Amino acid sequence: AQKVTQAQTEISVVEKEDVTLDCVYETRDTTYYLFWYKQPPSGELVFLIRRNSFDEQNEISGRYSWNFQKSTSSFNFTITASQVVDSAVYFCALSEPNRDDKIIFGKGTRLHILP
Amino acid sequence: KAGVTQTPRYLIKTRGQQVTLSCSPISGHRSVSWYQQTPGQGLQFLFEYFSETQRNKGNFPGRFSGRQFSNSRSEMNVSTLELGDSALYLCASRGEASYEQYFGPGTRLTVT
Repeated sequence: AQKVTQAQTEISVVEKEDVTLDCVYETRDTTYYLFWYKQPPSGELVFLIRRNSFDEQNEISGRYSWNFQKSTSSFNFTITASQVVDSAVYFCALSEPNRDDKIIFGKGTRLHILP
Repeated sequence: KAGVTQTPRYLIKTRGQQVTLSCSPISGHRSVSWYQQTPGQGLQFLFEYFSETQRNKGNFPGRFSGRQFSNSRSEMNVSTLELGDSALYLCASRGEASYEQYFGPGTRLTVT
């Protein structure tokens, strides 16, 4: 069955520190997509990244980087040199396009960046 | 390009009433999905519409229903509201052959 686990419910770090948000997923399919979304206090979910199951290359976008490891079914997200504006709830999600294609979200990790 | 819009943004209803929420997708997007977000259950998938047809459905009771119009705008209806229906309802749209869903700001429903 599809499942996304974000074991860290809440994390607090001081500004400029690096922080990694963990995501572990379960799927029976070989074709799947993984996502990260950011939800700031305004409530709107902001798309950050999509990764398909056949592409294990890590990705870096500015201060953001993602580490996809199929061997451990993990898709972790690292923010380097964190800033107060990074404070938000971050969701990891999974979809199986050959099954029902709906997106299953983890419970989210609330990240506090302290000034 | 305008983003996903949802109306109303806030709503207060009493138990037993019904409510209709509206979502306008990004221009050109034909898929609209609805999600319920609560502190306890997190983000849960309600249903997805594509070209006026329901394509996927989550595990919600029949009190939750939706529809999509020919212009891709979608409405979600909840009948006989219960206190537990208080939540942020998020709508998302995506284009064909695209797996990124773009979310609206949500409608915060409070049932008293």
